[in-house]
Amino acid sequence: SQTIHQWPATLVQPVGSPLSLECTVEGTSNPNLYWYRQAAGRGLQLLFYSVGIGQISSEVPQNLSASRPQDRQFILSSKKLLLSDSGFYLCAWSPRGLNTGELFFGEGSRLTVL
Amino acid sequence: KQEVTQIPAALSVPEGENLVLNCSFTDSAIYNLQWFRQDPGKGLTSLLLIQSSQREQTSGRLNASLDKSSGRSTLYIAASQPGDSATYLCAVDSGGYQKVTFGTGTKLQVIP
Repeated sequence: SQTIHQWPATLVQPVGSPLSLECTVEGTSNPNLYWYRQAAGRGLQLLFYSVGIGQISSEVPQNLSASRPQDRQFILSSKKLLLSDSGFYLCAWSPRGLNTGELFFGEGSRLTVL
Repeated sequence: KQEVTQIPAALSVPEGENLVLNCSFTDSAIYNLQWFRQDPGKGLTSLLLIQSSQREQTSGRLNASLDKSSGRSTLYIAASQPGDSATYLCAVDSGGYQKVTFGTGTKLQVIP
């Protein structure tokens, strides 16, 4: 069966520090990968998606970036965090296809920027 | 632009009651609709996926229906249990990897 792992679960970082959140998927090949952010009282916001190694599409202009160095690994990064980057970050995958298809989420990473 | 609404935002019911959660969307041109459950501080767990050609899907005590023409989906939970307490979100896929729109959820509390 397929599983998705996301870490760290909780992170407290000072403003201006770098960020790296990692996500890996097991039990499937060539998945579509996604990074979402969830703010309190608001719907999930898609940040990045990837349909293959090295292929990243950005949905929201910001100081975050994403990379996909391996087929089943997706990384969310920042060089300098802002207070507004605080939030709950969710990695997700869906089977390869022309559309999103069924989404499966990781456990999330809670980021607090102080 | 697709808009997804879930009303009510919160719901409290006694254990054993059957209940219906609602999801409305503005653009009926969808590929599928997915229902999720989210426990506090956790990720989303997929409950049911309904393709645009389907009218309903069932899994255990859960039944989800889809009426594209009216822009509505319902999630029916039979014989609710305290363990069903969570936030339930629906997500509408309008086509393309970037065109999944989430509702803000209904927070369900089942009282023992």
